[in-house]
Amino acid sequence: GDSVTQKQGQVTLSEDDFLFINCTYSTTTYPTLLWYVQYLGQGPQLLLKVTTANNKGISRGFEATYDKGTTSFHLQKASVQESDSAVYFCALALNYAQGLTFGLGTRVSVFP
Amino acid sequence: EAAVTQSPRNKVAVTGGKVTLSCNQTNNHNNMYWYRQDTGHGLRLIHYSYGAGSTEKGDIPDGYKASRPSQENFSLILELATPSQTSVYFCASGARTGSAETLYFGSGTRLTVL
Repeated sequence: GDSVTQKQGQVTLSEDDFLFINCTYSTTTYPTLLWYVQYLGQGPQLLLKVTTANNKGISRGFEATYDKGTTSFHLQKASVQESDSAVYFCALALNYAQGLTFGLGTRVSVFP
Repeated sequence: EAAVTQSPRNKVAVTGGKVTLSCNQTNNHNNMYWYRQDTGHGLRLIHYSYGAGSTEKGDIPDGYKASRPSQENFSLILELATPSQTSVYFCASGARTGSAETLYFGSGTRLTVL
C-alpha cells in the first residue's frame, strides 16, 4: 500500500546549524508531498508543499526538494534558530479529500 | 480569522464509558478529519467527512464513530472507551489548494482512559 517513511526520530542542533530531514515514499500514483510543523501544544500546520511538477518548495527559510528517482523528499534549512524547535512531519496527499498519510515525525531541538 | 476549535482540551474517562470529542470550524470547508497522534505511530486517520450528514472510515476506525450534523461541527464518539484509546486527538478541516488539499488543524484534545 501507499506509505511514507521518516526514520529520523530526533535531531539535536545548535543555532546556525544546517537542518536536513529526509523522507521516502511508496505509491503507485503521483503524489503531492508536504511538510507539516507542529510546535509544542499546537496542532500541525502546513510548512511546505512540493508537487511532482515543480520539484521544490520554499517557505520561511525552509526548502523542500523532491527526487522522483529515489522516491524521496527532504526538508532543509541553512541556519536554524531556537524558534525552529518543533516536530516536523512529512506527508503524502494521494487522493483529494481523503486526508493525508503522515510520517512518524522528527523532533528537532535547537539550542542557543 | 478562520479557525478549528476542539473541546475539551483535556479529558479523563473511565473504561467502558462514552466519550464525545467535539470540533467546530469557521473555515467553511466541506471536508473535515479526525486524527490521533501517538508516539511511534505519528498521525493516523480515524474518520473523515465530505460535508453535513456524511462520514467515512479512515485507516483506524474501529472503536470510533463520527457525526457531522452541520458544515461547522464534526464529533468523534467513543461508545465504550478503552485504555488503548488514550491519545491526543486532532480535528482538521480541509481546503483544496492547487493539486492537493491543505489541512488546518485544531490544537488537540488529550484523552486519558483509565
